Amino acid sequence: EVQLVESGGGLVQPGGSLRLSCAASGFTFSSYWMSWVRQAPGKGLEWVANIKQDGSEKYYVDSVKGRFTISRDNAKNSLYLQMNSLRAEDTAVYYCARARVVVVVNPTAGYMDVWGKGTTVTVSS
Amino acid sequence: VIWMTQSPSLLSASTGDRVTISCRMSQGISSYLAWYQQKPGKAPELLIYAASTLQSGVPSRFSGSGSGTDFTLTISCLQSEDFATYYCQQYYSFPRTFGQGTKVEIK
Repeated sequence: EVQLVESGGGLVQPGGSLRLSCAASGFTFSSYWMSWVRQAPGKGLEWVANIKQDGSEKYYVDSVKGRFTISRDNAKNSLYLQMNSLRAEDTAVYYCARARVVVVVNPTAGYMDVWGKGTTVTVSS
Repeated sequence: VIWMTQSPSLLSASTGDRVTISCRMSQGISSYLAWYQQKPGKAPELLIYAASTLQSGVPSRFSGSGSGTDFTLTISCLQSEDFATYYCQQYYSFPRTFGQGTKVEIK
């Protein structure tokens, strides 16, 4: 069964750090772009970051650039999101998602066909 | 940044109704558009990609159309399990962006 399981969420003070993990199973993890998407309480979906299969390309939404780092360990079938300098507005459920490859100009991350259940991050004093 | 306008934000409908949700882009994205369904407390699920291709396992009452800047999700005969929130998402350029969402509620 294809599965993504996030972990690492919790309560953290403003300015603090947290590292989210996503464990993948049931598919060849190293063949896929991966994504993080978040959803603030009562709000819509917001794409956060993408990482290429080999980790050589990474993309972020402007609001997290310089604070969040996406990474992966293909040997462990795991995706990570290191979150530093956290703010109240980072409070959200964070979803890990598998992205299918599409060709726009070059191969890139396309639509997200498998999602984890999410992990909750709360930034509050 | 590609801005997306999704409408309506709230749609009240009855079982058996045909419903249509619109997603308009601030610039052309060819057919690089997906639609997702999300139920309360659950992760989103992919319904449609490439604007009109139905994801495996998704009922045929769901359909997508459009290209360029204007896209539509149609549910031909609303079922009870379809009451949920729907999002469009473009994957033409970074940053990836989602529409604001359309909540389909029971009338």
